[in-house]
Amino acid sequence: DTGVSQDPRHKITKRGQNVTFRCDPISEHNRLYWYRQTLGQGPEFLTYFQNEAQLEKSRLLSDRFSAERPKGSFSTLEIQRTEQGDSAMYLCASSLETGDTQYFGPGTRLTVL
Amino acid sequence: GIQVEQSPPDLILQEGANSTLRCNFSDSVNNLQWFHQNPWGQLINLFYIPSGTKQNGRLSATTVATERYSLLYISSSQTTDSGVYFCAVAYSGGGADGLTFGKGTHLIIQP
Repeated sequence: DTGVSQDPRHKITKRGQNVTFRCDPISEHNRLYWYRQTLGQGPEFLTYFQNEAQLEKSRLLSDRFSAERPKGSFSTLEIQRTEQGDSAMYLCASSLETGDTQYFGPGTRLTVL
Repeated sequence: GIQVEQSPPDLILQEGANSTLRCNFSDSVNNLQWFHQNPWGQLINLFYIPSGTKQNGRLSATTVATERYSLLYISSSQTTDSGVYFCAVAYSGGGADGLTFGKGTHLIIQP
């Protein structure tokens, strides 16, 4: 068990550029979650997958955000036309089933200049 | 949606002291977790405790689901215990599975 991994760990981009983050969950975990954390706040839920199906999206997930989990393994989160307000830590978590312990990755810190 | 309130927001203690952190939530839950966030942002699992009592070394936690609160106890604090402690819950009705986090308790342990 190698834990949840995320790549890249840090990303600096210019406003208007597109960025994509990757999350590799713990193997055999069916559920995968994305959260966003801004400075001084607790993480906020964005979306989650049961295998390859995206089951819930938060109202925080604007049209510029899209997430995928092809084949029910790793997931990607893409942000199009980034804005300075997108600067945050993006966290990924996975769990075996609903209601189980969620294990978090180290996060991707995004800075939009 | 479900509300989570943590108290106190800030806590400064001397090394060796004991502390109690509280988490109140507004509805029934099927998941409650306590995390410690290290200076690099990593969320470290402390307890999965939607009900009952658990202990792990100097840390213990109790959740009284019927009264909608959870407590995290830290005994004999060490400087390495410093950081932000988060409580997070998932509402047990409606199929929602994402965790709702409190604002955290910022703990500083002074030598």
